[in-house]
Amino acid sequence: GAGVSQTPSNKVTEKGKYVELRCDPISGHTALYWYRQSLGQGPEFLIYFQGTGAADDSGLPNDRFFAVRPEGSVSTLKIQRTERGDSAVYLCASSNRGASEDTQYFGPGTRLTVL
Amino acid sequence: AQSVTQLGSHVSVSEGALVLLRCNYSSSVPPYLFWYVQYPNQGLQLLLKYTTGATLVKGINGFEAEFKKSETSFHLTKPSAHMSDAAEYFCAVSGTGRRALTFGSGTRLQVQP
Repeated sequence: GAGVSQTPSNKVTEKGKYVELRCDPISGHTALYWYRQSLGQGPEFLIYFQGTGAADDSGLPNDRFFAVRPEGSVSTLKIQRTERGDSAVYLCASSNRGASEDTQYFGPGTRLTVL
Repeated sequence: AQSVTQLGSHVSVSEGALVLLRCNYSSSVPPYLFWYVQYPNQGLQLLLKYTTGATLVKGINGFEAEFKKSETSFHLTKPSAHMSDAAEYFCAVSGTGRRALTFGSGTRLQVQP
């Protein structure tokens, strides 16, 4: 079946602009996660959704970052007033139930470059 | 709080040699432990995971890992390296009440012919 998909695969923007990154999880998965991976580092957690609600947003670095999942499926990560330090690969993952032991299935990521 | 330490950011082995990638974790709750592999320009793929039960876990592509609670370790091994194993490997931990994964910084495996 189809895996997790993310669009766009690459996004180049200018400092101060607004960007939206989209994630399509595996059909039927109730849990959705966003991570950020900087060059040479492991992924860092940003936010976790269970259904439509953000169950844990403790990883969002500041209030420029926001994410939604209005219908409990597709999610959009929104970044306002982008900064050069926001440049990274943004990864989305989904899991069946959202339990800690569940496997998280990752998408290919969106590479964001802020000039 | 949880953390993961992967010793060795780069590991190089010869084809056919033993692969050993080290992972130590810190967790205040019983951990669930994962190894993911990342090929260039691809997403993370699960190799194996430990949740409960048998401490020796077998995964895909001939990899296995052993959970050692006394050493807080979850090292990844493969008896004989193949060229196709060249990739970045990440160890990760979650735990009861903590759904998100905490990743180590990764180990890049090179396989020499």
